Amino acid sequence: DIVMTQSPDSLAVSLGERATIDCKSSQSVLYSSNNKNYLAWYQQKPGQPPKLLIYWASTRESGVPDRFRGSGSGTDFTLTISSLQAEDVAVYFCQQYYTTPYTFGQGTKLEIK
Amino acid sequence: QVQLQESGPGLVKSSETLSLTCTVSGGSISDYYWSWIRQPPGKGLEWIGYIFYSGSTNYNPSLQSRVTMSVDTSRNQFSLKLTSVTAADTAVYYCARHKTGSAWDFFDYWGQGTLVTASS
Repeated sequence: DIVMTQSPDSLAVSLGERATIDCKSSQSVLYSSNNKNYLAWYQQKPGQPPKLLIYWASTRESGVPDRFRGSGSGTDFTLTISSLQAEDVAVYFCQQYYTTPYTFGQGTKLEIK
Repeated sequence: QVQLQESGPGLVKSSETLSLTCTVSGGSISDYYWSWIRQPPGKGLEWIGYIFYSGSTNYNPSLQSRVTMSVDTSRNQFSLKLTSVTAADTAVYYCARHKTGSAWDFFDYWGQGTLVTASS
């Protein structure tokens, strides 16, 4: 299985400041034939299902604010929230869909400082 | 707007079978892959497996010996059965749609989730 490791486990950021969450995969999730990274990011608020934010490592889902940005390639990826808003408090997960079993990172809890 | 709704017993006795159904509304179950994902209380996400509307399946090897998925296109539903449950199977169970219609995919629509407790 591909192991997804996120860092940090928790993060406290001031409103309006930048938040950065890293995700590392135990093997590359870059498919050479189409040059796409099979990596997605989700946001989960308490009592709710995960919400898709980013796919193909850097494509924002429709309706997701542009303060959310995904980057990276191969085995190292980053989710950046450029200016933290109160409604961004949540747990964030990365997921690889390069191969089954699909696997998720352990989650990063984002709070307001 | 596509909506997914899980249904089934919230309590299952240890060693018995967990059975859940996901009902899809606002869109057809056809032409898409559908997954089950679970989340133990306060923990991370585990993919259980997927089913295509045609009935083809792919299960997580960690659960493969205990999992069966099925689909009923006439009712726009798909189902999960997990046998011989233990306390370790206690989790919120989600059903979700693969966004692009591919097996190797991410999940754009999710059900609200249903908590299943396995208890002796």
